Amino acid sequence: DTGVSQNPRHKITKRGQNVTFRCDPISEHNRLYWYRQTLGQGPEFLTYFQNEAQLEKSRLLSDRFSAERPKGSFSTLEIQRTEQGDSAMYLCASSLAIELNTEAFFGQGTRLTVV
Amino acid sequence: AQKVTQAQTEISVVEKEDVTLDCVYETRDTTYYLFWYKQPPSGELVFLIRRNSFDEQNEISGRYSWNFQKSTSSFNFTITASQVVDSAVYFCALSESLGGGYQKVTFGTGTKLQVIP
Repeated sequence: DTGVSQNPRHKITKRGQNVTFRCDPISEHNRLYWYRQTLGQGPEFLTYFQNEAQLEKSRLLSDRFSAERPKGSFSTLEIQRTEQGDSAMYLCASSLAIELNTEAFFGQGTRLTVV
Repeated sequence: AQKVTQAQTEISVVEKEDVTLDCVYETRDTTYYLFWYKQPPSGELVFLIRRNSFDEQNEISGRYSWNFQKSTSSFNFTITASQVVDSAVYFCALSESLGGGYQKVTFGTGTKLQVIP
């Protein structure tokens, strides 16, 4: 296993189009997180899953955003009707939910540009 | 609400100099975790260290050292004898500990470190 994998690495889309990103976590990790990072800022939490259950969603996750993790393995993040303000790096992370194990491993991110 | 402040936006040092990156945090939790991550130009976040709120011992790992002071809510990171490969954006982060491991993390805005050869 080579770590958390995100696809695509880069996506350019026209405003109003829908986009979907995929995250493949480290195989034994049961927690999966999505973050968004805009230029010059730190990553901001969007949502997280434990197995297939989505346990928390940030207020940043508007109704145009939806995340799924149907089988508790990979996850998808879909943005509908993209806006220029959605342009950012979308980061996925995974971790193993065992007490005292608090290291999350991040993928390389998907950079979205909305034109 | 949790908050992490990294007041230094950018720092430039000459190779072999020591550099300290500052981090100040705010939280109402009594149990929390603090982290440092490195983000090289490739974009991937690389985990450097995690400390819990009950462990105020300073830590050293090679050229890296961390100074956790609960009294001042600070968790500073020092790189000794900096190298060009240390050039990156460094993020300090704070996590709520709700039991069961890693939870929602609040990141600072990052400090961009440039090490000049």
